[in-house]
Amino acid sequence: AQSVTQPDIHITVSEGASLELRCNYSYGATPYLFWYVQSPGQGLQLLLKYFSGDTLVQGIKGFEAEFKRSQSSFNLRKPSVHWSDAAEYFCAVGASGRGNQFYFGTGTSLTVIP
Amino acid sequence: EAQVTQNPRYLITVTGKKLTVTCSQNMNHEYMSWYRQDPGLGLRQIYYSMNVEVTDKGDVPEGYKVSRKEKRNFPLILESPSPNQTSLYFCASSFAGTGPYNSPLHFGNGTRLTVT
Repeated sequence: AQSVTQPDIHITVSEGASLELRCNYSYGATPYLFWYVQSPGQGLQLLLKYFSGDTLVQGIKGFEAEFKRSQSSFNLRKPSVHWSDAAEYFCAVGASGRGNQFYFGTGTSLTVIP
Repeated sequence: EAQVTQNPRYLITVTGKKLTVTCSQNMNHEYMSWYRQDPGLGLRQIYYSMNVEVTDKGDVPEGYKVSRKEKRNFPLILESPSPNQTSLYFCASSFAGTGPYNSPLHFGNGTRLTVT
């Protein structure tokens, strides 16, 4: 069955420090992978997506993610975090077939300290 | 501006009183979906629609109804709300294309529902 695991419920980083948010997926075929960000009181906004090709994908707001098939991972990274990056981050996998087409992780809440 | 609009943003109601949460998108998307977000559980799909008059259950459909009479609108109906339906609800849409699992979702800003 398809599933997405985000092992870190909450992460705190200092402003200017690097960031890596972990995501592991379980899916039998080639995955379509997404990272979304949810700011307080807002809906989810797409950060980046991976469908095929280059395993390092660039997104908005300076984020990038690397697809590693051997590890079933799609970790999100940012070299230098800004205070405005404080939000909740969701990893998702798109799944073909009838029924639910998108499986979301439980989210990682990011706190940025000055 | 391309957007998904949900109303209301906040709703407090009592057990058993029927309610409807509206969702409208202006991007001509075929695919629309409803999710509920609960702490520690992430987003779970309630219902989805591949196009007008085509709807199907997601992972947690019990206690909910939907309809898709027009392409732009996808209302969520709770005919007899119960306290366990207290949650944050999101409507989302995307192009169906060859997917829609390969198209990014566009989300509304959410509806926070409290059932007492």
